[in-house]
Amino acid sequence: GESVGLHLPTLSVQEGDNSIINCAYSNSASDYFIWYKQESGKGPQFIIDIRSNMDKRQGQRVTVLLNKTVKHLSLQIAATQPGDSAVYFCAENPPSNDYKLSFGAGTTVTVRA
Amino acid sequence: KAGVTQTPRYLIKTRGQQVTLSCSPISGHRSVSWYQQTPGQGLQFLFEYFSETQRNKGNFPGRFSGRQFSNSRSEMNVSTLELGDSALYLCASSLIGGSLREQYFGPGTRLTVT
Repeated sequence: GESVGLHLPTLSVQEGDNSIINCAYSNSASDYFIWYKQESGKGPQFIIDIRSNMDKRQGQRVTVLLNKTVKHLSLQIAATQPGDSAVYFCAENPPSNDYKLSFGAGTTVTVRA
Repeated sequence: KAGVTQTPRYLIKTRGQQVTLSCSPISGHRSVSWYQQTPGQGLQFLFEYFSETQRNKGNFPGRFSGRQFSNSRSEMNVSTLELGDSALYLCASSLIGGSLREQYFGPGTRLTVT
């Protein structure tokens, strides 16, 4: 079936460095893609999304890149801070607005002081 | 504006029992979706309710059911609990549904089945 997955389960980053989190997807017909951040004991929080007709979108300290050729999505966090420590995962929104989704397990980002 | 609330936050049950979880959406939101989150499987969609009707359903057995009330509050029920049902159960609400980017998640209910 269609699935969205992340490449690495864990990422350790030095405070102040940039973080890059990757995601591979398989449904080339998806309308857009979303990155979520989930802190311990909390529900997922929307970070940024990107439409399928774009290849880059920037937010505050975050940039999402979409490579449709290889079905790859990445989230870049600039100047990583301790508050960025969380689980990050991506999701795709199919064109049919079908909610039968399967998210990846996520990448746990740990920021070292 | 208050966020999505879920009760209880933590629950311990024994195999074979049943459990009911509750979700109160953001005021004005009419769509409520439920997800199961486990370390191995990640986030998996259970079902979505809108105006008291189940509108979408994921690939879970019939032991998982839900309902929505006229005030948009939703409950999900799991009968004949199995060890594998141990997970974080998340609900998310949105105004009318149909778009992931407009969903707001609650903090979840951590269910442990022993």
